[in-house]
Amino acid sequence: GAVVSQHPSWVICKSGTSVKIECRSLDFQATTMFWYRQFPKQSLMLMATSNEGSKATYEQGVEKDKFLINHASLTLSTLTVTSAHPEDSSFYICSAFDSFQETQYFGPGTRLLVL
Amino acid sequence: AQSVTQLGSHVSVSEGALVLLRCNYSSSVPPYLFWYVQYPNQGLQLLLKYTSAATLVKGINGFEAEFKKSETSFHLTKPSAHMSDAAEYFCAVSDGGGYQKVTFGIGTKLQVIP
Repeated sequence: GAVVSQHPSWVICKSGTSVKIECRSLDFQATTMFWYRQFPKQSLMLMATSNEGSKATYEQGVEKDKFLINHASLTLSTLTVTSAHPEDSSFYICSAFDSFQETQYFGPGTRLLVL
Repeated sequence: AQSVTQLGSHVSVSEGALVLLRCNYSSSVPPYLFWYVQYPNQGLQLLLKYTSAATLVKGINGFEAEFKKSETSFHLTKPSAHMSDAAEYFCAVSDGGGYQKVTFGIGTKLQVIP
């Protein structure tokens, strides 16, 4: 099946710093990728839709200046959490849309802890 | 608008017993339906999907789900539970194609009792 990777899997940072998370589709090209956030014992909440070569579309309530998304190629999207604060601590999961399978495939997630 | 309702946030079954996880959906157009599984501290793995072909969909690890339009349901079943099935299961709906937004249910945590 299609494989999506995320890096890093774990990151701990100090409050006020920025953190970049990478999402890669390893064996297919994805013009569309998605970024989700998952709080403990809750479902996934869509943060934004990332489109290759264009600006991301953010869901209501998600600060686009805080969560910067770049989809520079058909296999890579990045999420940068700028000026991270403890409330940004969460599990961030990306997915990539495989147009041939008409299915989103998910990465393993990145756990962010902001101290 | 689309939505998913998963009945039962926690389900416990004995090892070897039938697994039944319930999912009802709401969609204004013929839906695409998915079941994903999430193990602790991991991402989501696709179990199976319905995309308007056969109503009975077989997935990985012995799971299957049946699309019932009249009941707007897409329940997940497995004849015999295994300890390794213990995980969180998410039902999801998309309006005609996964590139559109996928809406997830709240998840059902499956516990398998030895």
